[in-house]
Amino acid sequence: GAGVSQTPSNKVTEKGKYVELRCDPISGHTALYWYRQSLGQGPEFLIYFQGTGAADDSGLPNDRFFAVRPEGSVSTLKIQRTERGDSAVYLCASSRTRTGPNTEAFFGQGTRLTVV
Amino acid sequence: KQEVTQIPAALSVPEGENLVLNCSFTDSAIYNLQWFRQDPGKGLTSLLLIQSSQREQTSGRLNASLDKSSGRSTLYIAASQPGDSATYLCAVLTQGGSEKLVFGKGTKLTVNP
Repeated sequence: GAGVSQTPSNKVTEKGKYVELRCDPISGHTALYWYRQSLGQGPEFLIYFQGTGAADDSGLPNDRFFAVRPEGSVSTLKIQRTERGDSAVYLCASSRTRTGPNTEAFFGQGTRLTVV
Repeated sequence: KQEVTQIPAALSVPEGENLVLNCSFTDSAIYNLQWFRQDPGKGLTSLLLIQSSQREQTSGRLNASLDKSSGRSTLYIAASQPGDSATYLCAVLTQGGSEKLVFGKGTKLTVNP
C-alpha cells in the first residue's frame, strides 16, 4: 500500500476485555515495529519484527501483550485482560531493510485505545 | 541505556522567525537520527534522516545537523509559518544488541500569525 495502515483508528473497550490492533505495513517492507505513546510523551518501543519472527520483544510490558506477524506482512498486537493503564495511542512503523544507516521508519496514523 | 532529550519542551514564535529545536542523546552508538513531525491526534511524519556518518541534511526550509561525538542534533526551521505548528520528535536508531528507535518527548511548536 501507499503507507502504513492501522485499524481501527479508535477503540474503546471495557477493563478486562481482549483487544486486537492491526497493522498493514508498506508493501515490501520486511521490518515492522510497534510503539506505544502516552499523552505528552514520546513513543516507547514495544516489539520489532524482521520478517515473521520477533527480533526484539523487550519492550512488551508484561505477558498480557503479544504480537504476531505470521506471513511477514500484516501484524496484530493483542492485549489480554486490558487495564486502564493500557490506554494510549499504539503506533506501528515499517522499514524496507534490515537495520542499518539507511533504515528509515514510516509510521501509521495509530490506534487510540481507551480502556474504561 | 540510550536516552534522548529534547529542549525546549514547548516553543511559541511569531510567523517568519527562524528557529532551532535541540535534541541530545547519551549513547553515540547509533545508525542514524530521524526528525519527525506529529500533528494532534495523528501519526508521525518523517521529515529528515541523517545517517551516523553524515553531518547534515536539508529539505526545503528544514535543515538538520548531527554531531554524533557530542550526542547532539539540531533542527533548523527557516521562515516559520503557522502550518509548521506541530510537535517535533527526534529519534535515534540504536546499534548493538537492541536495535530500535528511541524517541525524545518532543518539542511542541506554535507559530503565531
